[in-house]
Amino acid sequence: GNSVTQMEGPVTLSEEAFLTINCTYTATGYPSLFWYVQYPGEGLQLLLKATKADDKGSNKGFEATYRKETTSFHLEKGSVQVSDSAVYFCALKGDAGGTSYGKLTFGQGTILTVHP
Amino acid sequence: GAGVSQTPSNKVTEKGKYVELRCDPISGHTALYWYRQSLGQGPEFLIYFQGTGAADDSGLPNDRFFAVRPEGSVSTLKIQRTERGDSAVYLCASSLYSGSYYNEQFFGPGTRLTVL
Repeated sequence: GNSVTQMEGPVTLSEEAFLTINCTYTATGYPSLFWYVQYPGEGLQLLLKATKADDKGSNKGFEATYRKETTSFHLEKGSVQVSDSAVYFCALKGDAGGTSYGKLTFGQGTILTVHP
Repeated sequence: GAGVSQTPSNKVTEKGKYVELRCDPISGHTALYWYRQSLGQGPEFLIYFQGTGAADDSGLPNDRFFAVRPEGSVSTLKIQRTERGDSAVYLCASSLYSGSYYNEQFFGPGTRLTVL
């Protein structure tokens, strides 16, 4: 079945540092890939997505590129802020031809803390 | 507009009791999903509905768990004979379904279930 593996955390950075959170996946066909974020006390929110190979998703200064050859979707940000402190989840949705279509499969989450 | 709402926000019950968790999706969203998130883990898929019918219930852990969506809008997740291992945050999400494509899932704030 489908699976997502995320870099283990927690990750602690100083403000303006560069961020990478690694994500790799196992899936058949052509899944869609997502990053969700959960800020303290809030629900899950979609951060960015990519629906086909070589697509780059971007939002709020975050980027991730769908790499089918390495089955990866690493999250990056050039300069983090204190307000980026949250839990980040990588997720995939199976393609329309598979039995996993519709539902999301999540990684275990990475806690990010950014200090001033 | 109103997002996905879930009630109650917190539920404490005793082992062996029956509980119902309610989800109100975004108006007009035909697809509705239930996930379970244990402490320190990513959400795990339980079941999703397309309209009134369960399109995929493969994530329900056993026959103590059941979900309904009788009118294609509000859904109720029912857990019989609760066990301590059922303690988790239960998340609901909804999305539009257009043609053969499931759009972005919007998540509710979750119901935190504690089984004593």
